[in-house]
Amino acid sequence: NAGVTQTPKFQVLKTGQSMTLQCAQDMNHEYMSWYRQDPGMGLRLIHYSVGAGITDQGEVPNGYNVSRSTTEDFPLRLLSAAPSQTSVYFCASSARSYTDNYGYTFGSGTRLTVV
Amino acid sequence: TQLLEQSPQFLSIQEGENLTVYCNSSSVFSSLQWYRQEPGEGPVLLVTVVTGGEVKKLKRLTFQFGDARKDSSLHITAAQPGDTGLYLCAGAGYGGATNKLIFGTGTLLAVQP
Repeated sequence: NAGVTQTPKFQVLKTGQSMTLQCAQDMNHEYMSWYRQDPGMGLRLIHYSVGAGITDQGEVPNGYNVSRSTTEDFPLRLLSAAPSQTSVYFCASSARSYTDNYGYTFGSGTRLTVV
Repeated sequence: TQLLEQSPQFLSIQEGENLTVYCNSSSVFSSLQWYRQEPGEGPVLLVTVVTGGEVKKLKRLTFQFGDARKDSSLHITAAQPGDTGLYLCAGAGYGGATNKLIFGTGTLLAVQP
C-alpha cells in the first residue's frame, strides 16, 4: 500500500544514546516533515523539507538533525537523547504546498521513551 | 510564532447530538486544514479551506474558514460513535511560511452510543 512508513514503531533509549528514526514515502511527494506529539500540546514541527537536498527548522529543532538525500527518505536523528525527548514522533509527506489544497499523509508514528 | 488554539479541549456527547469545535488564532493563515486522529495512528486529512469565508461540507461535517482567515470551525450534525477521535486544525502561513504547517492543540471528542 502506498503511504508513509516509519520505523521503528517503539523504541526505548537511555539518556545520552543516539538513534535514527526512519521515514520513507513511495508517493513521490516533494514535502516531508517531522512532528512530535505530546499530551495537551498537539503536534509540533521539528524539521521539514521541500525537496531532496533542502531542509529547514521548525518550531522545536534543538537536539534533532535531518537530511534529505533522496525524495523518498527523510530520517530524523537524535544526537544525544534526553528524557524531554520522550514523545510520539510522526513523519508526514505532501505532494504540493498547502495553498494548493494538498494535505499531509502521516505515518503511524514512533513511540520513543528516553530513560 | 503562530499559535492555534482549539476549544473545547474535551467533548463527551451522546449519539445524535450536534457539536461545534473552534480553532482560533491572532495570525492570518493562507490555508487551514482539519485532521482527525484515532489512537495509535497518525492524523488523517479531512478538509482544506483556502478562501476567507469558505464553507465546505463532508457528509455530516461542515467546515468554515473565517472571513479574516484567522479562525475556523468544524460542526458535526447528528454525531455517531464513529466520529470519536482527536480533531486537529492546522494552518499554513504566507510566503516562506507556507511550507510550515502549524497544528492546534486538538479537541478530543467522545460520542457515546
